[in-house]
Amino acid sequence: DGGITQSPKYLFRKEGQNVTLSCEQNLNHDAMYWYRQDPGQGLRLIYYSQIVNDFQKGDIAEGYSVSREKKESFPLTVTSAQKNPTAFYLCASIPDRGLGNTEAFFGQGTRLTVV
Amino acid sequence: AQSVSQHNHHVILSEAASLELGCNYSYGGTVNLFWYVQYPGQHLQLLLKYFSGDPLVKGIKGFEAEFIKSKFSFNLRKPSVQWSDTAEYFCAGTQYNNNDMRFGAGTRLTVKP
Repeated sequence: DGGITQSPKYLFRKEGQNVTLSCEQNLNHDAMYWYRQDPGQGLRLIYYSQIVNDFQKGDIAEGYSVSREKKESFPLTVTSAQKNPTAFYLCASIPDRGLGNTEAFFGQGTRLTVV
Repeated sequence: AQSVSQHNHHVILSEAASLELGCNYSYGGTVNLFWYVQYPGQHLQLLLKYFSGDPLVKGIKGFEAEFIKSKFSFNLRKPSVQWSDTAEYFCAGTQYNNNDMRFGAGTRLTVKP
């Protein structure tokens, strides 16, 4: 079955450590996204990528980094510079890379807890 | 920066009541607008979308939304809600020819049986 896989579902890290969240899709989609979901704040865009080796900052990119070396993969690193990293992180993808008019598909999310 | 806003944070209705959830956007030019729903413990899924043409868009499960360009709005409606509509609803938007997709803060809908 085609879809978006985020792993792991739950992740615990100590404060001060970098952590990388995985997002893989086998839908052959061009554009991929990372969002952070906090209660009462909806989905806030961290980064998105429209094509391999390209990515753009969203509203809350500080303290995060991404790479897009392969079309299928868009990992997100939460660095120690992110002041409030505990959150639910959602990865999404859409098929085309230009028109902005297609449905987004979402992964199941990763809940990161930093202690 | 472009943004999408939802002003109703939590709406509580009884079954069979009518629903209208507000969504406003700040994009200029041609916009693409979406409503997504997230049922408890499930992925976000698309309810409906607007690209162009008829401003009244019909989606799944009896939902519809009306694009009013003069008001920068895309409100979601349903004439008669059911207990199974209990979920969180998100409005989202992009501009034509741009995949920068922004979401509103979400509205939690609770339908009492």
